[in-house]
Amino acid sequence: KAGVTQTPRYLIKTRGQQVTLSCSPISGHRSVSWYQQTPGQGLQFLFEYFSETQRNKGNFPGRFSGRQFSNSRSEMNVSTLELGDSALYLCASSLPGLAGGPNEQFFGPGTRLTVL
Amino acid sequence: AQSVTQPDIHITVSEGASLELRCNYSYGATPYLFWYVQSPGQGLQLLLKYFSGDTLVQGIKGFEAEFKRSQSSFNLRKPSVHWSDAAEYFCAVGTTGGGNKLTFGTGTQLKVEL
Repeated sequence: KAGVTQTPRYLIKTRGQQVTLSCSPISGHRSVSWYQQTPGQGLQFLFEYFSETQRNKGNFPGRFSGRQFSNSRSEMNVSTLELGDSALYLCASSLPGLAGGPNEQFFGPGTRLTVL
Repeated sequence: AQSVTQPDIHITVSEGASLELRCNYSYGATPYLFWYVQSPGQGLQLLLKYFSGDTLVQGIKGFEAEFKRSQSSFNLRKPSVHWSDAAEYFCAVGTTGGGNKLTFGTGTQLKVEL
């Protein structure tokens, strides 16, 4: 099976712009989660989508949004970019959680976003 | 809210030596625990997971971890480290009702001396 793919791998934007990142999950996986990784804050959960619905949301401002399509592919959007949004954005796909808890998640290579 | 602490930011071991990376979690019920490894410029790869049952869990690449409820710990071990194990290691916790949301520790950077 092909792994999780993320596009683009690298992005450079300027403050105030907006950006859209894409994630294609492993075939058959209907859950997609997004994480932000920075040296200062580490790995932080952004949101999870399951069957086109946002199921969980982390503690990020409304500038961060996402969506999921019927083929389970997901996009996340960051509007009005700030310098602090520079980070590695990781996408993970999974089967539905087990007994209400999380399942094994498979991570993509990430998109490196640099905001100038 | 749940949390994860990895007390060691950096660890250096000699190739062939044993390794133990510490992880402590905070969560009121039975946690779902994971160890991931990240090589430079890469995403995260799952090493092992604990959901329930046997408290000693075997993973890939010769790693194992032991869940100790009394100590709220889930330490990762390897009997003999290889130079290719140099990477950053993350412990993570998930919760019942939390879907696939994971809370990660800050990571431990492992350096292997030849």
